[in-house]
Amino acid sequence: EVHLVGSGGGLVQPGGSLSLSCAASGFNFSTFWMSWVRQAPGKRLEWLANIKEDGSEVRYVDSVKGRFTISRDNAKNTLFLQMNSLRVDDTGVFYCARGRWILDFWGQGSLVTVSS
Amino acid sequence: DIVMTQSPDSLAVSLGERATINCKSSQNILYGSNNRNYLVWYQQKPGQPPKLLIYWASTRESGVPDRFSGSGSGTDFTLTISSLQAEDAAVYYCQQYYSIPATFGQGTKLEIK
Repeated sequence: EVHLVGSGGGLVQPGGSLSLSCAASGFNFSTFWMSWVRQAPGKRLEWLANIKEDGSEVRYVDSVKGRFTISRDNAKNTLFLQMNSLRVDDTGVFYCARGRWILDFWGQGSLVTVSS
Repeated sequence: DIVMTQSPDSLAVSLGERATINCKSSQNILYGSNNRNYLVWYQQKPGQPPKLLIYWASTRESGVPDRFSGSGSGTDFTLTISSLQAEDAAVYYCQQYYSIPATFGQGTKLEIK
Protein backbone atom coordinates (compact mmCIF):
# COMPACT_ATOMS: atom_id res chain seq x y z
CA GLU A 1 0.00 0.00 0.00
CA VAL A 2 1.30 3.43 -0.96
CA HIS A 3 2.07 5.78 1.94
CA LEU A 4 3.37 9.33 1.85
CA VAL A 5 4.07 10.78 5.29
CA GLY A 6 4.91 14.43 5.52
CA SER A 7 6.79 16.18 8.29
CA GLY A 8 8.50 19.45 9.10
CA GLY A 9 5.63 21.90 9.14
CA GLY A 10 5.21 24.54 11.79
CA LEU A 11 5.19 28.23 12.61
CA VAL A 12 7.86 30.47 11.10
CA GLN A 13 8.35 34.22 10.91
CA PRO A 14 8.27 36.09 7.61
CA GLY A 15 11.65 35.89 5.97
CA GLY A 16 12.43 32.61 7.73
CA SER A 17 13.15 29.14 6.43
CA LEU A 18 11.59 25.74 6.83
CA SER A 19 12.27 22.31 5.42
CA LEU A 20 9.57 19.78 4.65
CA SER A 21 10.09 16.06 4.20
CA CYS A 22 7.90 13.35 2.74
CA ALA A 23 8.72 9.73 3.47
CA ALA A 24 7.46 7.33 0.84
CA SER A 25 6.72 3.63 1.18
CA GLY A 26 4.80 0.91 -0.59
CA PHE A 27 6.14 1.62 -4.06
CA ASN A 28 9.41 1.95 -5.94
CA PHE A 29 10.07 5.60 -5.10
CA SER A 30 13.03 5.97 -7.45
CA THR A 31 10.87 5.27 -10.52
CA PHE A 32 8.31 8.04 -10.00
CA TRP A 33 8.26 11.78 -10.49
CA MET A 34 7.18 13.51 -7.27
CA SER A 35 5.44 16.81 -6.66
CA TRP A 36 4.56 19.39 -4.02
CA VAL A 37 1.17 21.10 -3.95
CA ARG A 38 0.00 23.82 -1.57
CA GLN A 39 -3.47 24.63 -0.32
CA ALA A 40 -3.73 28.06 1.28
CA PRO A 41 -6.70 28.71 3.58
CA GLY A 42 -9.80 29.25 1.48
CA LYS A 43 -7.82 29.14 -1.75
CA ARG A 44 -7.55 26.70 -4.62
CA LEU A 45 -4.85 24.05 -4.81
CA GLU A 46 -1.56 25.36 -6.19
CA TRP A 47 1.06 23.18 -7.83
CA LEU A 48 4.49 24.27 -6.58
CA ALA A 49 7.18 22.01 -7.97
CA ASN A 50 8.05 18.59 -9.28
CA ILE A 51 11.18 16.50 -9.66
CA LYS A 52 12.17 13.74 -12.03
CA GLU A 53 12.83 10.17 -10.87
CA ASP A 54 16.59 10.67 -10.65
CA GLY A 55 16.45 14.30 -9.58
CA SER A 56 17.95 15.51 -12.85
CA GLU A 57 15.00 17.71 -13.78
CA VAL A 58 12.95 20.06 -11.63
CA ARG A 59 10.18 22.54 -12.34
CA TYR A 60 8.70 25.34 -10.20
CA VAL A 61 5.79 27.71 -10.29
CA ASP A 62 7.03 31.29 -10.68
CA SER A 63 5.83 32.36 -7.22
CA VAL A 64 8.34 30.08 -5.46
CA LYS A 65 11.18 30.05 -8.00
CA GLY A 66 14.41 31.12 -6.33
CA ARG A 67 12.96 30.67 -2.84
CA PHE A 68 11.96 26.98 -2.72
CA THR A 69 14.08 23.97 -3.65
CA ILE A 70 12.69 20.52 -4.31
CA SER A 71 15.02 17.55 -3.92
CA ARG A 72 14.95 13.85 -3.22
CA ASP A 73 17.00 11.07 -1.67
CA ASN A 74 16.13 7.85 -3.45
CA ALA A 75 18.24 5.78 -1.07
CA LYS A 76 16.02 6.97 1.77
CA ASN A 77 12.77 7.12 -0.22
CA THR A 78 12.31 10.72 0.83
CA LEU A 79 11.20 13.89 -0.92
CA PHE A 80 12.16 17.32 0.37
CA LEU A 81 11.08 20.93 0.00
CA GLN A 82 13.46 23.57 1.32
CA MET A 83 11.63 26.87 1.74
CA ASN A 84 13.51 30.14 2.21
CA SER A 85 12.43 33.78 2.38
CA LEU A 86 8.99 32.70 3.49
CA ARG A 87 6.12 35.17 3.16
CA VAL A 88 2.79 35.41 4.93
CA ASP A 89 1.04 34.28 1.75
CA ASP A 90 3.05 31.04 1.77
CA THR A 91 0.86 29.89 4.65
CA GLY A 92 -1.04 26.69 3.93
CA VAL A 93 -1.08 22.93 3.91
CA PHE A 94 1.73 21.48 1.85
CA TYR A 95 1.08 18.12 0.21
CA CYS A 96 3.60 15.80 -1.34
CA ALA A 97 2.15 13.73 -4.14
CA ARG A 98 3.27 10.97 -6.45
CA GLY A 99 3.43 11.85 -10.10
CA ARG A 100 4.59 14.52 -12.50
CA TRP A 101 1.23 16.06 -13.40
CA ILE A 102 -1.33 13.30 -12.75
CA LEU A 103 -1.05 13.01 -8.98
CA ASP A 104 -2.32 9.58 -8.02
CA PHE A 105 -1.37 9.44 -4.33
CA TRP A 106 -1.12 12.32 -1.88
CA GLY A 107 0.29 12.61 1.62
CA GLN A 108 -1.82 13.93 4.48
CA GLY A 109 -0.18 17.32 4.30
CA SER A 110 2.00 19.49 6.54
CA LEU A 111 0.69 22.79 7.88
CA VAL A 112 3.02 25.75 7.45
CA THR A 113 2.09 29.03 9.10
CA VAL A 114 4.09 32.13 8.28
CA SER A 115 3.32 34.82 10.81
CA SER A 116 5.03 37.31 13.07
CA ASP B 1 -0.87 30.61 -17.00
CA ILE B 2 -4.00 28.70 -17.93
CA VAL B 3 -6.93 29.69 -15.73
CA MET B 4 -9.37 26.96 -14.77
CA THR B 5 -12.88 28.06 -13.85
CA GLN B 6 -15.41 25.70 -12.34
CA SER B 7 -19.16 26.06 -12.12
CA PRO B 8 -21.10 26.11 -9.99
CA ASP B 9 -19.13 26.99 -6.86
CA SER B 10 -21.49 24.76 -4.89
CA LEU B 11 -24.47 22.56 -5.46
CA ALA B 12 -26.82 20.37 -3.49
CA VAL B 13 -28.15 17.18 -5.02
CA SER B 14 -30.48 14.52 -3.65
CA LEU B 15 -29.30 10.97 -3.09
CA GLY B 16 -29.64 8.90 -6.25
CA GLU B 17 -29.82 11.95 -8.49
CA ARG B 18 -27.27 13.12 -11.05
CA ALA B 19 -24.64 15.71 -10.19
CA THR B 20 -22.84 17.69 -12.88
CA ILE B 21 -19.78 19.89 -12.37
CA ASN B 22 -18.29 22.00 -15.13
CA CYS B 23 -14.73 23.13 -15.72
CA LYS B 24 -13.59 25.62 -18.33
CA SER B 25 -9.99 26.31 -19.29
CA SER B 26 -8.84 29.71 -20.54
CA GLN B 27 -6.92 27.99 -23.34
CA ASN B 28 -7.29 24.81 -25.32
CA ILE B 29 -5.87 21.82 -23.44
CA LEU B 30 -6.34 19.26 -26.20
CA TYR B 31 -2.97 18.23 -27.57
CA GLY B 32 -3.40 17.67 -31.30
CA SER B 33 -0.60 15.16 -31.80
CA ASN B 34 -2.10 12.58 -29.43
CA ASN B 35 -5.72 13.78 -29.31
CA ARG B 36 -5.64 13.85 -25.52
CA ASN B 37 -7.12 16.41 -23.19
CA TYR B 38 -4.70 17.23 -20.38
CA LEU B 39 -7.28 17.40 -17.60
CA VAL B 40 -7.64 15.70 -14.23
CA TRP B 41 -10.48 15.58 -11.68
CA TYR B 42 -9.87 15.18 -7.95
CA GLN B 43 -12.19 14.69 -4.98
CA GLN B 44 -11.33 16.15 -1.58
CA LYS B 45 -13.19 15.39 1.64
CA PRO B 46 -12.74 17.48 4.79
CA GLY B 47 -9.44 16.86 6.51
CA GLN B 48 -8.18 14.63 3.72
CA PRO B 49 -5.85 15.11 0.78
CA PRO B 50 -7.26 15.15 -2.73
CA LYS B 51 -8.00 11.82 -4.36
CA LEU B 52 -7.49 11.21 -8.07
CA LEU B 53 -10.73 10.36 -9.85
CA ILE B 54 -10.22 10.88 -13.58
CA TYR B 55 -7.30 11.76 -15.87
CA TRP B 56 -6.99 12.49 -19.59
CA ALA B 57 -10.42 14.07 -19.04
CA SER B 58 -12.29 10.77 -19.21
CA THR B 59 -10.12 7.88 -17.95
CA ARG B 60 -11.33 6.66 -14.60
CA GLU B 61 -8.62 5.88 -12.04
CA SER B 62 -8.49 2.28 -10.84
CA GLY B 63 -10.91 1.69 -7.97
CA VAL B 64 -13.08 4.73 -8.68
CA PRO B 65 -16.78 3.76 -8.92
CA ASP B 66 -18.22 3.83 -12.43
CA ARG B 67 -20.88 6.34 -11.40
CA PHE B 68 -18.08 8.92 -11.86
CA SER B 69 -17.44 9.92 -15.46
CA GLY B 70 -15.59 12.70 -17.21
CA SER B 71 -16.28 14.24 -20.57
CA GLY B 72 -15.49 17.23 -22.73
CA SER B 73 -12.72 18.42 -24.98
CA GLY B 74 -10.74 21.52 -25.82
CA THR B 75 -11.78 24.06 -23.21
CA ASP B 76 -15.01 22.70 -21.72
CA PHE B 77 -15.19 19.70 -19.45
CA THR B 78 -17.71 17.99 -17.20
CA LEU B 79 -17.58 15.65 -14.23
CA THR B 80 -20.77 13.67 -13.81
CA ILE B 81 -21.84 11.56 -10.87
CA SER B 82 -24.67 9.48 -12.22
CA SER B 83 -26.37 8.43 -8.99
CA LEU B 84 -25.23 10.40 -5.98
CA GLN B 85 -24.23 8.49 -2.86
CA ALA B 86 -23.79 9.94 0.61
CA GLU B 87 -20.04 9.40 0.48
CA ASP B 88 -19.77 11.61 -2.61
CA ALA B 89 -20.21 14.78 -0.56
CA ALA B 90 -16.89 16.57 -1.10
CA VAL B 91 -15.13 19.36 -2.94
CA TYR B 92 -14.20 18.54 -6.52
CA TYR B 93 -11.29 20.14 -8.39
CA CYS B 94 -10.25 20.07 -12.01
CA GLN B 95 -6.61 20.54 -12.98
CA GLN B 96 -4.91 21.09 -16.31
CA TYR B 97 -1.48 19.73 -17.11
CA TYR B 98 -1.22 20.94 -20.70
CA SER B 99 1.25 23.65 -19.81
CA ILE B 100 3.49 24.59 -16.92
CA PRO B 101 2.47 25.53 -14.31
CA ALA B 102 -0.26 22.98 -13.78
CA THR B 103 -3.27 24.90 -12.50
CA PHE B 104 -6.42 23.97 -10.61
CA GLY B 105 -9.99 25.18 -10.63
CA GLN B 106 -11.34 26.94 -7.57
CA GLY B 107 -13.29 23.85 -6.50
CA THR B 108 -16.97 22.92 -6.43
CA LYS B 109 -18.55 21.93 -3.14
CA LEU B 110 -21.06 19.13 -3.56
CA GLU B 111 -23.56 18.63 -0.76
CA ILE B 112 -26.35 16.15 -0.24
CA LYS B 113 -29.80 17.74 -0.35
